[in-house]
Amino acid sequence: DTGVSQDPRHKITKRGQNVTFRCDPISEHNRLYWYRQTLGQGPEFLTYFQNEAQLEKSRLLSDRFSAERPKGSFSTLEIQRTEQGDSAMYLCASSPPTVNTGELFFGEGSRLTVL
Amino acid sequence: DQQVKQNSPSLSVQEGRISILNCDYTNSMFDYFLWYKKYPAEGPTFLISISSIKDKNEDGRFTVFLNKSAKHLSLHIVPSQPGDSAVYFCAASAGGDMRFGAGTRLTVKP
Repeated sequence: DTGVSQDPRHKITKRGQNVTFRCDPISEHNRLYWYRQTLGQGPEFLTYFQNEAQLEKSRLLSDRFSAERPKGSFSTLEIQRTEQGDSAMYLCASSPPTVNTGELFFGEGSRLTVL
Repeated sequence: DQQVKQNSPSLSVQEGRISILNCDYTNSMFDYFLWYKKYPAEGPTFLISISSIKDKNEDGRFTVFLNKSAKHLSLHIVPSQPGDSAVYFCAASAGGDMRFGAGTRLTVKP
């Protein structure tokens, strides 16, 4: 296992279309996070899972966004009826069950461009 | 709600000198503070962290200082090397929730 894997790396879509991103965390990492990053900004928290349970959702996550982690392993982030403002880098991260440092292991991100 | 702030978008230093990156936070519930480094086209990678019960943590050339009363932390890199040129994000966590600053772009000139 070489790290957090995200797919696709790049997605270009037309406004109004639906898109789905997939994240495969590091094996045995029970926590999985989704962040969004726009140019010149730090990663903005969207949501996180502990195993299959979605424990927190940001107010940034509108009704058009939904995330799942059905079996506590990989996760998907779906954006429905995309808008130009959704253009961003979507980052997935995972962390192990041990508490304390809070270190996250990030994937390389999925860049979304909405035309 | 910007709970973690990095007020300097960029910093340029000469190779061999000290780089000091600063970060302020507002939420007193944060119990861990971290610095991440990001190169273009890559996700952020963890650099160093500090627990809220400590005021200093050192790892090689990197030292993080925490001033809880001022809600301020800083990252010192000494000596700075050209390979340190990247965007540095400050982050703070409380339980499973981690928030990031906007980042500081460090450029180390040879």
